[in-house]
Amino acid sequence: GAVVSQHPSRVICKSGTSVKIECRSLDFQATTMFWYRQFPKQSLMLMATSNEGSKATYEQGVEKDKFLINHASLTLSTLTVASAHPEDSSFYICSASSGPGQPQHFGDGTRLSIL
Amino acid sequence: TQLLEQSPQFLSIQEGENLTVYCNSSSVFSSLQWYRQEPGEGPVLLVTVVTGGEVKKLKRLTFQFGDARKDSSLHITAAQPGDTGLYLCAGAVPKLVFGAGTILRVKS
Repeated sequence: GAVVSQHPSRVICKSGTSVKIECRSLDFQATTMFWYRQFPKQSLMLMATSNEGSKATYEQGVEKDKFLINHASLTLSTLTVASAHPEDSSFYICSASSGPGQPQHFGDGTRLSIL
Repeated sequence: TQLLEQSPQFLSIQEGENLTVYCNSSSVFSSLQWYRQEPGEGPVLLVTVVTGGEVKKLKRLTFQFGDARKDSSLHITAAQPGDTGLYLCAGAVPKLVFGAGTILRVKS
């Protein structure tokens, strides 16, 4: 149980393109979803927390107009990187939790490469 | 400053050796989780510890939560090449805060 599916697994696109990443909880209802960014051989850095039906809460230093998050249902959250540039290249990972105090279950990540 | 100090950052050992990874903080956590991550994949939850002094075993892995719920350790007995990966501790405050991670490489 507790499967989280993230799609796509890899994106390569030109600078200036907007990229959408989907995160789905397949077998449970995720009241909260989290988006992380990870650089090679480093830990996860929380970007934002989204609760179903409400606006996402962004961590300090994360541009909300750059990283658009939508959590329209209890099983789907999306992260859109608007007008992506090479410095946005990274490994983006989502996680989902069924409620406060419950463990987070992670997707397999999306490798974003901006040329 | 890192809320969760994880050590060592990198560990390269021979198959069959034992190892311990430490996760320390000055903060008290309501729970602490350990994850293992392989390259190009998301972290996989290994265990959640909740009670101070709690010890959990998962085959060759032993997890301990400090009495004060500020620190934790992961001990692997007789490491195998398949244990290679990035090990992450994460404390709930209640938002999940990750340690810097320990890259483990087990050579055959």
